[in-house]
Amino acid sequence: LAKTTQPISMDSYEGQEVNITCSHNNIATNDYITWYQQFPSQGPRFIIQGYKTKVTNEVASLFIPADRKSSTLSLPRVSLSDTAVYYCLVGDMWSGGYQKVTFGTGTKLQVIP
Amino acid sequence: NAGVTQTPKFRVLKTGQSMTLLCAQDMNHEYMYWYRQDPGMGLRLIHYSVGEGTTAKGEVPDGYNVSRLKKQNFLLGLESAAPSQTSVYFCASSSREFNTEAFFGQGTRLTVV
Repeated sequence: LAKTTQPISMDSYEGQEVNITCSHNNIATNDYITWYQQFPSQGPRFIIQGYKTKVTNEVASLFIPADRKSSTLSLPRVSLSDTAVYYCLVGDMWSGGYQKVTFGTGTKLQVIP
Repeated sequence: NAGVTQTPKFRVLKTGQSMTLLCAQDMNHEYMYWYRQDPGMGLRLIHYSVGEGTTAKGEVPDGYNVSRLKKQNFLLGLESAAPSQTSVYFCASSSREFNTEAFFGQGTRLTVV
């Protein structure tokens, strides 16, 4: 299982861009990088997934360098409603589901007015 | 579009009592999972199922049993509850064909006294 390391917490002011970096030095060839968001008292929610380079959707962007040993989740112009815990997952969920993918402790993002 | 529904949402048990948590999904997903979330521990996989009639142990299976008699339902049982099982339990499901994301329920907050 690929181990991930991400900051325990981050603070940001409203309107700023937030970048959360995840380190995954032992990522395997078939592994994808997936980010989830969890609000208090709710289950995690999928944000974005990528394999290499850059992926963008309506919520966030995911930047993955060529060596794939790290990735950066970018949230543009955060608002108070983006206050949540963000999890970086690395694994080959495509070949067999999420049973071999580990949720770490995540990064607690606090957006400040 | 209900997605993944967990019942009950809250429960208080006395040590030694038994109970069953029900998870139902309406997305025809093959894979289903039970996680527990404790403060500072992230989500840990208890048991999972890759299809109707099959179950397998995850990272922390002791003290729990599961059953998947119908494809849409995944039951988590506690035969003799212990205070160490006080936690928030999340059920999730994912598709075998389109395995990009897992869909989570809203969680069950269980307190064992």
